[in-house]
Amino acid sequence: KAGVTQTPRYLIKTRGQQVTLSCSPISGHRSVSWYQQTPGQGLQFLFEYFSETQRNKGNFPGRFSGRQFSNSRSEMNVSTLELGDSALYLCASSLGTKRLAKNIQYFGAGTRLSVL
Amino acid sequence: DQQVKQNSPSLSVQEGRISILNCDYTNSMFDYFLWYKKYPAEGPTFLISISSIKDKNEDGRFTVFLNKSAKHLSLHIVPSQPGDSAVYFCAASSPGGSEKLVFGKGTKLTVNP
Repeated sequence: KAGVTQTPRYLIKTRGQQVTLSCSPISGHRSVSWYQQTPGQGLQFLFEYFSETQRNKGNFPGRFSGRQFSNSRSEMNVSTLELGDSALYLCASSLGTKRLAKNIQYFGAGTRLSVL
Repeated sequence: DQQVKQNSPSLSVQEGRISILNCDYTNSMFDYFLWYKKYPAEGPTFLISISSIKDKNEDGRFTVFLNKSAKHLSLHIVPSQPGDSAVYFCAASSPGGSEKLVFGKGTKLTVNP
């Protein structure tokens, strides 16, 4: 079974630009969550999508948005990039069912975004 | 407000000895805890988990202990191997439909041959 795939692996952008990151979950997984990892803050939850609906959102500004498609693939968009947005963006997928069993999230390798 | 804390940024042990990684949490609503391992340039890999109704869970060389009254969990690796050298993250989730995980900042484990 293929794992979680994130594209691209690396991105370099300049301040003020926008960026779109993509995540393909494990087949059969309906929940996709996004996390930002920075050296100072660790992994921080951005948002979660389940069946094309945002189910939860972290404490990030509205410049960070996402969506999920009917095939469970997800995209994350960051507009008006700032230097502080430089980070590793991780996507995780899980079954997403409501606690029939504890759901384990499986992570992709991440997209390394550098904002210059 | 950091709800999950890993107070040791790094830990160094000898091959064959026990590695003990610690994690504290403040939110008593957390009902499920996980440990992930992360190598550079890779995403976190799931290691082991424990529900709040248990106090211990074992999987091979890995054992997680949960002390709810102290809001503390620990990961034991016995015996430690050089390939275990990585950053270990503790994570917690709350009841409900969301898959949101709250992570600690990680502990870098180095196992010396």
